[in-house]
Amino acid sequence: EIVLTQSPATLSVSPGERATLSCRASQSVSSSYLAWYQQKPGQAPRLLIYGASTRATGIPDRFSGSGSGTEFTLTISSLQSEDFAVYYCQQCNSWPPYTFGQGTKLEIK
Amino acid sequence: VQLLESGGGLVQPGGSLRLSCAASGFTFDNFAVNWVRQAPGKGLEWVSSISGSGGDTFYADSVKGRFSISRDNSKNTLYLQMNSLRAEDTALYYCAKDSYFYSSGQLDYWGQGTLVTVSA
Repeated sequence: EIVLTQSPATLSVSPGERATLSCRASQSVSSSYLAWYQQKPGQAPRLLIYGASTRATGIPDRFSGSGSGTEFTLTISSLQSEDFAVYYCQQCNSWPPYTFGQGTKLEIK
Repeated sequence: VQLLESGGGLVQPGGSLRLSCAASGFTFDNFAVNWVRQAPGKGLEWVSSISGSGGDTFYADSVKGRFSISRDNSKNTLYLQMNSLRAEDTALYYCAKDSYFYSSGQLDYWGQGTLVTVSA
């Protein structure tokens, strides 16, 4: 089973600033099979990025994904109030099971 | 796209429960569907997946042999039969649509979840 480790656990950033979230895999993951999800309190997760760097339908271009192998990054270029949430990375390369990282909570500084 | 889960509730350890997920807004039998759960205050855990035809099913080791996923394409409904429930199965259970006919793990739409609580 591929273990995904996200860092940091909590990230405090001011609105308008850039946020960089990391996801490290215990073994190599094809870029085609790495996704990011956003979850706001009391809501279901929402697909943000798939294939490591492709934005899902309706996702603003301030969200971008990058990386390969065992290191992946989600960047939010200019934080808006609605972006403060928990973010999960997920691998679909080696399954079952599909695995998620433990999440990064992005909070307002 | 809408996914509406139901069937959650309070059940004793060792008991059974069947969850349902009613789908609308897309051609249901063209896509795989998954169950993903989230324990209170915790992260996401994939539980099970079924292909568009229902011919292929997959399970997490933590539920294999106890849970059974199925679908009725004539009713646009997904099911999860949960037997031998344990306290650690307590979670919010989400139904999530896959992006493809065969399970890919790319979960593009999610329901709001149904809460399962296993407690004496």
